[in-house]
Amino acid sequence: QKEVEQNSGPLSVPEGAIASLNCTYSDRGSQSFFWYRQYSGKSPELIMFIYSNGDKEDGRFTAQLNKASQYVSLLIRDSQPSDSATYLCAVNGGSGGSNYKLTFGKGTLLTVNP
Amino acid sequence: GAVVSQHPSRVICKSGTSVKIECRSLDFQATTMFWYRQFPKQSLMLMATSNEGSKATYEQGVEKDKFLINHASLTLSTLTVTSAHPEDSSFYICSATRLLQTNEQFFGPGTRLTVL
Repeated sequence: QKEVEQNSGPLSVPEGAIASLNCTYSDRGSQSFFWYRQYSGKSPELIMFIYSNGDKEDGRFTAQLNKASQYVSLLIRDSQPSDSATYLCAVNGGSGGSNYKLTFGKGTLLTVNP
Repeated sequence: GAVVSQHPSRVICKSGTSVKIECRSLDFQATTMFWYRQFPKQSLMLMATSNEGSKATYEQGVEKDKFLINHASLTLSTLTVTSAHPEDSSFYICSATRLLQTNEQFFGPGTRLTVL
């Protein structure tokens, strides 16, 4: 069974700091990796995705992927109070022939303090 | 583009009744639609995958006779919770993928179901 692990948090950072969110996955054949943000009572919204080893930057967000270590992370620079939310790591591809199905982690609750 | 809507956004029903939730892709044709359930402080759990015109594929442990899925067109999928019970109270979220972009799922806003 595919597993995606995240620290549940809460992770608390001061405004303007860098928030670092981590995720590990069990299926070595996983191909695509996604970070979603979910505000309380709302559905997830995609922040970014990454397919290749290394870093991918989009504005204040940087995703990092290390397939050898089965590890993916999300860095949020200049954190804002509006970034306070639960961040979900999701993975697809890999074994089982279900390349398009997402497996989600339980999420990390981030709180950015003004 | 790639907007997914759900209706209703919130529903309260009595135990034993059936509830239908609609998921629509508003500006694209959805090759595949997914239904998730999320309990408080838990992650999204995939319930089933549906493709237009074919039977849905249910995840292990999800009762297909209780959670009826109909994907009648490329823009509409429905989830019917039959004989709902309080333990079915949850946040139900659909998502959709579009042709040639099957790796990305676009999520609807979710439906909060409360069964009394």
